[in-house]
Order: sequence, then C-alpha cells, then structure tokens
Amino acid sequence: DAGVIQSPRHEVTEMGQEVTLRCKPISGHDYLFWYRQTMMRGLELLIYFNNNVPIDDSGMPEDRFSAKMPNASFSTLKIQPSEPRDSAVYFCASSLEGRDTGELFFGEGSRLTVL
Amino acid sequence: GQNIDQPTEMTATEGAIVQINCTYQTSGFNGLFWYQQHAGEAPTFLSYNVLDGLEEKGRFSSFLSRSKGYSYLLLKELQMKDSASYLCAAPPANQAGTALIFGKGTTLSVSS
Repeated sequence: DAGVIQSPRHEVTEMGQEVTLRCKPISGHDYLFWYRQTMMRGLELLIYFNNNVPIDDSGMPEDRFSAKMPNASFSTLKIQPSEPRDSAVYFCASSLEGRDTGELFFGEGSRLTVL
Repeated sequence: GQNIDQPTEMTATEGAIVQINCTYQTSGFNGLFWYQQHAGEAPTFLSYNVLDGLEEKGRFSSFLSRSKGYSYLLLKELQMKDSASYLCAAPPANQAGTALIFGKGTTLSVSS
C-alpha cells in the first residue's frame, strides 16, 4: 500500500514568496495532520482534520499559514508570505479512527528553506 | 495542552541496554506513544501503552505508570542502526481524538 505522499520534498524560496505544500493521506484514513519540525521546537502540531473538516488549528503560528482539505485524498498547507523563520521540515500524517493503537503514519516530509 | 519531558541526548555501546525516560501531564490521559526517527527521515511508530505495565516487542519494550505520569522505552542488545531520535507522544490533556503532542525527542548515539 502507498503511504502518505508529500510534495515537494525540498523547496528553497525567497522571503515574501508564497509556498504551497501538498499531502495525499493513506486511502481510507479519516484523520490528517500537519506538523512542523525544527531543532529548537521539535515536532509541533499545526492543524488537523477529521473527515476533511478542520478540528483544531490552534497550532497554526499566524495568519500567514492556512490549510485546506478539499477532499479525502488531498490537503495543502500554504504560507503567504513566507519568512526565514518558517524554515523547517513540514510533515503530513494520517490515521484511522478505531484502529487499535491510533498510530499516526507520517509522510517523508517537505524540507522548506526560506532565504 | 500537554507537557512532555524527555532527556535530550543519550549514548550507549553496541550490545548494551538503554532506558529512555518520559514524563507527561496525566490529566485526561488517553495513551502514551513512542516513535523512532532516523536522521532525515519521518517518525515511525514503535509502541503504544494505555494500561500500566510493560509491553514487550522484540528488543524494544515500553513501560507505563499512569499514576506517576511516567513512561520509559527500553532498548536491549543495542545495534548501530538503533542510533536515532526517540520521541515520546501523548494526546493533548483532557482531549479525546487521535492528535498527538510530541516531546522534543531523545537522540540516542550507539557506538561500537
């Protein structure tokens, strides 16, 4: 089975540019999560969806960040305008409610560098 | 929210046993997870504890004490490939659902 698929794997952009990160969750999973990882702050939960509906976006750092899930197989995380402090690895993860362990399955991440 | 604390770094030698500790906020507890993350890769699931006691899975075991808000991950017969970051995670306090809050991770270095 295909795992969580993220794109792009690497993105280098200049401050002020718009960045869009994409995620395809595992088919049939009903939860989708966006995390950000940095050395200083570790792995931070930004936002998560259940059945395409945003449940908790309290981790989104500011209005420059937005996330959408138009259907069960696709989500985007957008940063506009981007700033150097947004440089991080952004992970998407999905899970299935009712599964014994409730484990999250992570994509390989999108490494963002804002110059 | 959730406060999860674990040591930043640990070192050990091949063949040894290492214990990585984790403390968490106990209010509304809904399970404790351990993930492994190799450098440059995604976190992968290792274990899940919801009841007190020890869960064994091959060379890895995880222990939980709900009353103390304490867990540990035990790695036996260490191998070089076990060098990685080990992340403790739990749902936000007093919240149901599957979102997880992660500790900052313990970087384990295994030397020969």
